[in-house]
Amino acid sequence: GQNIDQPTEMTATEGAIVQINCTYQTSGFNGLFWYQQHAGEAPTFLSYNVLDGLEEKGRFSSFLSRSKGYSYLLLKELQMKDSASYLCAVRDGGANNLFFGTGTRLTVIP
Amino acid sequence: DTAVSQTPKYLVTQMGNDKSIKCEQNLGHDTMYWYKQDSKKFLKIMFSYNNKELIINETVPNRFSPKSPDKAHLNLHINSLELGDSAVYFCASSQEGSGTALSFGPGTRLTVL
Repeated sequence: GQNIDQPTEMTATEGAIVQINCTYQTSGFNGLFWYQQHAGEAPTFLSYNVLDGLEEKGRFSSFLSRSKGYSYLLLKELQMKDSASYLCAVRDGGANNLFFGTGTRLTVIP
Repeated sequence: DTAVSQTPKYLVTQMGNDKSIKCEQNLGHDTMYWYKQDSKKFLKIMFSYNNKELIINETVPNRFSPKSPDKAHLNLHINSLELGDSAVYFCASSQEGSGTALSFGPGTRLTVL
């Protein structure tokens, strides 16, 4: 089975840095994804990690530790438009399906 | 030039009815999916399908059935709709391979009265 945990809600200030954590226990592992979802919209792809370490993409970075079953998404220089839900998703090792966590609703305040 | 499209965007219907949601992708992807997002925003996989096999999440009632007329389409048929089926249904597609991300359609908000 799959178990993916994230904090339900977080609040951060415009211009600051925020880290959203994700822990997972899955039957097989074939990569971890982060998605952003604004209210009423579809999820959009942010980042992908399959090897341990940090992947940086502009203001967003994602880290993975496979031995710890742990990832985080780091958002720098927060902007109001970053207010959204951030979904951690793990691809399993069998059918290659993508399983999502419950998502973290981030609110950026002035 | 929409990558993954779904119709309708909104669907309001009575309990017991049968309805379909259509999905099309023009990305040339070989795998398509249906996800259900409930009121708590939890995104749960229902089906994945490529031209080789259909994988069904065992928790999905058999009132739900995917139909794929060709590689670019994966429609979702729902029989005998129930109140608990109210949710947003997302279609998605990806290219086969572990590193490829899913591209999601805009979602269909289904409300069962």
